[in-house]
Amino acid sequence: NAGVTQTPKFRVLKTGQSMTLLCAQDMNHEYMYWYRQDPGMGLRLIHYSVGEGTTAKGEVPDGYNVSRLKKQNFLLGLESAAPSQTSVYFCASKVEGSSYNEQFFGPGTRLTVL
Amino acid sequence: AQKVTQAQTEISVVEKEDVTLDCVYETRDTTYYLFWYKQPPSGELVFLIRRNSFDEQNEISGRYSWNFQKSTSSFNFTITASQVVDSAVYFCALSEVSFTGANSKLTFGKGITLSVRP
Repeated sequence: NAGVTQTPKFRVLKTGQSMTLLCAQDMNHEYMYWYRQDPGMGLRLIHYSVGEGTTAKGEVPDGYNVSRLKKQNFLLGLESAAPSQTSVYFCASKVEGSSYNEQFFGPGTRLTVL
Repeated sequence: AQKVTQAQTEISVVEKEDVTLDCVYETRDTTYYLFWYKQPPSGELVFLIRRNSFDEQNEISGRYSWNFQKSTSSFNFTITASQVVDSAVYFCALSEVSFTGANSKLTFGKGITLSVRP
């Protein structure tokens, strides 16, 4: 059981380039989330999904797109990267049902936009 | 809107000292859940504990204990006899109650960096 995995672990982009971050979970969780972590800001929710084929905006969705074509994968895309998107990105997943259930987090992706 | 405040940003203690990490939250909901997560230097987020808003019992797990006080909207975390391995960033988080998942989101505090010196 790998849990939640994220690809890649590190990436450096130039302003204007695009990329996709992949999150995969093998726990058959229904819900998946993308967060970004910035110094002194805690974790902020970018987008989330409550099931295959569904996505919704979180607190800071601008500049990002997501897709959930398969239950086990949640993709985060940056169409035109900006230096303000330099951050550590975390993916998380959770079983369906009550909010009582905790989220399981991936190891993070450190992205630098020059 | 929900809000979690962790007023302490950095705490430094010497090994074997006790340390308390404060968490104050705001919510309009009468039912909600509170969580603590640990982020060690390796970077991953590790779930520590959750608490239901109806359950104000304090909890102890080894050297860790949590004090939930609804009257002051606080959910504080105490580490007894701290160790170097406790050095990490600790996040408090709040979740709305949702049985459909549509609002099943966590609101995080900004985190407290704890350094335990030998």
